[in-house]
Amino acid sequence: EDQVTQSPEALRLQEGESSSLNCSYTVSGLRGLFWYRQDPGKGPEFLFTLYSAGEEKEKERLKATLTKKESFLHITAPKPEDSATYLCAVQAGYSSASKIIFGSGTRLSIRP
Amino acid sequence: DTGVSQDPRHKITKRGQNVTFRCDPISEHNRLYWYRQTLGQGPEFLTYFQNEAQLEKSRLLSDRFSAERPKGSFSTLEIQRTEQGDSAMYLCASSLRTAQETQYFGPGTRLLVL
Repeated sequence: EDQVTQSPEALRLQEGESSSLNCSYTVSGLRGLFWYRQDPGKGPEFLFTLYSAGEEKEKERLKATLTKKESFLHITAPKPEDSATYLCAVQAGYSSASKIIFGSGTRLSIRP
Repeated sequence: DTGVSQDPRHKITKRGQNVTFRCDPISEHNRLYWYRQTLGQGPEFLTYFQNEAQLEKSRLLSDRFSAERPKGSFSTLEIQRTEQGDSAMYLCASSLRTAQETQYFGPGTRLLVL
């Protein structure tokens, strides 16, 4: 069964303290791995899509990487406004009409 | 705003009542998805449409749930005879059918069943 596991469940960092969030997945036929940011009471906001092992993408203080079994979201010198839940999701299968399977997310809190 | 919109944003209802939610996707997107999210969990897939055709339904979508997308534009999700376990955030997402598909989410409708 396709599965996505995120760790840690929660992470508290000091402003400027860099760290990484992990997303491990077990799927048959990965079509894409997605990272979303979700603020309390709002819908997920798209950040990145990764399609193949070795791929990397960056946006401001965030950098996403992908291997055959897991993805990392690296956050460099975070600021309090980076506090949010970060969701990882995979689209699996060999049809373009495939649903996304989400992990439970990592709640990130950045202290000023 | 050209993003995905959902209405209402919040709904409080009594157990046993029917509720209906609406989703307006990004205008050129031909795929529309419904998800449910409970506290501390990631969104769970419910169903999706390509244009007006409903192509997949999750086992989570009991007989009390029905979704439509007439004319392939906006979509509605109806829950009949609501139960307390239906309390959740209902999210809508839309995408363009391409080889590299990205789903964009709306703000969600938070449902509370008393």
